[in-house]
Amino acid sequence: AQTVTQSQPEMSVQEAETVTLSCTYDTSESDYYLFWYKQPPSRQMILVIRQEAYKQQNATENRFSVNFQKAAKSFSLKISDSQLGDAAMYFCAYSGGATNKLIFGTGTLLAVQP
Amino acid sequence: EPEVTQTPSHQVTQMGQEVILRCVPISNHLYFYWYRQILGQKVEFLVSFYNNEISEKSEIFDDQFSVERPDGSNFTLKIRSTKLEDSAMYFCASSLTGQVGPYEQYFGPGTRLTVT
Repeated sequence: AQTVTQSQPEMSVQEAETVTLSCTYDTSESDYYLFWYKQPPSRQMILVIRQEAYKQQNATENRFSVNFQKAAKSFSLKISDSQLGDAAMYFCAYSGGATNKLIFGTGTLLAVQP
Repeated sequence: EPEVTQTPSHQVTQMGQEVILRCVPISNHLYFYWYRQILGQKVEFLVSFYNNEISEKSEIFDDQFSVERPDGSNFTLKIRSTKLEDSAMYFCASSLTGQVGPYEQYFGPGTRLTVT
């Protein structure tokens, strides 16, 4: 069964600094996708970035980028130039194989200090 | 920008009562999902729905749960006899297709269900 693990329950970063959130996953599938979702206090789930497993190039979206290490089954999120609005719970998620359901990790609560 | 909407935002019910949570997916989307998040825990998949049928369900989605698309716009989750442990945030999501990955699942704002 596929699993997603986020080992950092909480992280803190100073405004304008860079922070990296960790995620590891386990799967026997060769074709899958990985996602980072942001959940602010409003609890709306917002897609931040996605990575296709067959693409070696790491995905980037403005200040957000990932470090995808397929062999290590690692998928970390880097937030550059952190802003106060980045404060939220961040969930790593997996989707792959014959299913399109999302499997989420337990989340990392990111605090941004002014 | 089109969005998924959910009503109500908060529902309080007594144990044993039936509740219906409502969702309006994005209009041209074909796949619909329900997820739940117990307070302080991770988001868990409940069920996916396509072409008026359940395409996949989790072990959480037992006989107490049902889903329906009663008309061309609404997608509902019914819990027949609520238990205390059903208290959670319930998220509806929709996607253009069921193809894995490239077609984003758009989430609604959630319905907070409190069972007393």
